[in-house]
Amino acid sequence: GAVVSQHPSWVICKSGTSVKIECRSLDFQATTMFWYRQFPKQSLMLMATSNEGSKATYEQGVEKDKFLINHASLTLSTLTVTSAHPEDSSFYICSAPRGTAGYEQYFGPGTRLTVT
Amino acid sequence: QKEVEQDPGPLSVPEGAIVSLNCTYSNSAFQYFMWYRQYSRKGPELLMYTYSSGNKEDGRFTAQVDKSSKYISLFIRDSQPSDSATYLCAMSFYGQNFVFGPGTRLSVLP
Repeated sequence: GAVVSQHPSWVICKSGTSVKIECRSLDFQATTMFWYRQFPKQSLMLMATSNEGSKATYEQGVEKDKFLINHASLTLSTLTVTSAHPEDSSFYICSAPRGTAGYEQYFGPGTRLTVT
Repeated sequence: QKEVEQDPGPLSVPEGAIVSLNCTYSNSAFQYFMWYRQYSRKGPELLMYTYSSGNKEDGRFTAQVDKSSKYISLFIRDSQPSDSATYLCAMSFYGQNFVFGPGTRLSVLP
């Protein structure tokens, strides 16, 4: 199957600092990537849709100035959590659809962010 | 009413049992239906997908979609301890607007 990677797999940062998470599609090109957040024992919450060459689309309630998304190429999207606070601590997962219908959505392994 | 509903479990079964996981949904526009398996602290892994109504089988896994009832199922035969994970249903139309269920936690006891 398709492979999507994320880096780093886990990160601890201090409150007020910024953290960048990378999402790469390793064996296919993705004009669209999705960013999700997942709290313990809860389902995936879509944060935003990353579009190559254009601005990201954010879900209602997600602060676009806090969660900066850049889709720099057809294989790379980045999520930067700016001025992180402890409540931003979560599991962040990206995904990329593949195929003409795009229903084959492949997920990265996730990044666990802890803000102290 | 939530767009996709799924019993969160936890569901505990003995090894070798047949497991039935289900989701109901409210939006009749959904056309693509998927099941993902997520191990703890890992990203979800696509198990199966189906288009419209019908059945699809892959090894020990069978996915069923009943669009008239807005009900989808995943059956796992001869369940193994390695099947212990959270199972997420997901659906979309035209490969866009994916909606995930909350997931069912499954434990297969040896």
